[in-house]
Amino acid sequence: EAQVTQNPRYLITVTGKKLTVTCSQNMNHEYMSWYRQDPGLGLRQIYYSMNVEVTDKGDVPEGYKVSRKEKRNFPLILESPSPNQTSLYFCASSSLAGRSYEQYFGPGTRLTVT
Amino acid sequence: AQSVTQLGSHVSVSEGALVLLRCNYSSSVPPYLFWYVQYPNQGLQLLLKYTSAATLVKGINGFEAEFKKSETSFHLTKPSAHMSDAAEYFCAVGKMDSSYKLIFGSGTRLLVRP
Repeated sequence: EAQVTQNPRYLITVTGKKLTVTCSQNMNHEYMSWYRQDPGLGLRQIYYSMNVEVTDKGDVPEGYKVSRKEKRNFPLILESPSPNQTSLYFCASSSLAGRSYEQYFGPGTRLTVT
Repeated sequence: AQSVTQLGSHVSVSEGALVLLRCNYSSSVPPYLFWYVQYPNQGLQLLLKYTSAATLVKGINGFEAEFKKSETSFHLTKPSAHMSDAAEYFCAVGKMDSSYKLIFGSGTRLLVRP
């Protein structure tokens, strides 16, 4: 089954404790992206990657890091989480062939930073 | 600059009634437009997409949307609401730059009354 998986689904942590949210896709997509969803704001892009070793900032990159060492994986790293990073996070992937912009989303990771 | 506006953060309809969720976009080039649905505690699922092939787009679960260039609108409709349609709906436009990202509206929560 074609899918995007994220782990963990739920995470409660404390300020300053480094964490990683994993994302993996099995569709051989070149493009992967992280979004955060906050009430009344829709989804906003954090970082994106056009292919292995190619990453760039989205609209709200402060406090986040990413890496793309393999085509299927795109982890999101919070080196020193703060309460304003409490949010619902989605990983997405897309094929760049045809440039249709259609993105496939993971199930989400709900992060709470206290 | 491209943007999306969804009118109404909450829409309430009776079961069996018409569903109309409004979306207006801003784009200087022919847009790629999408409607996604988010059921409680789940990720985003693609309902339908407009990619210039036809102005009336049919999606899953009986939903459809009509692209109206003169009104810069892409409203989502369903003739008869079902209880299972209760969810949050997001309109999105593909941003025409190197980020390849989706720009989302703030979302509309659909409530279906028995």
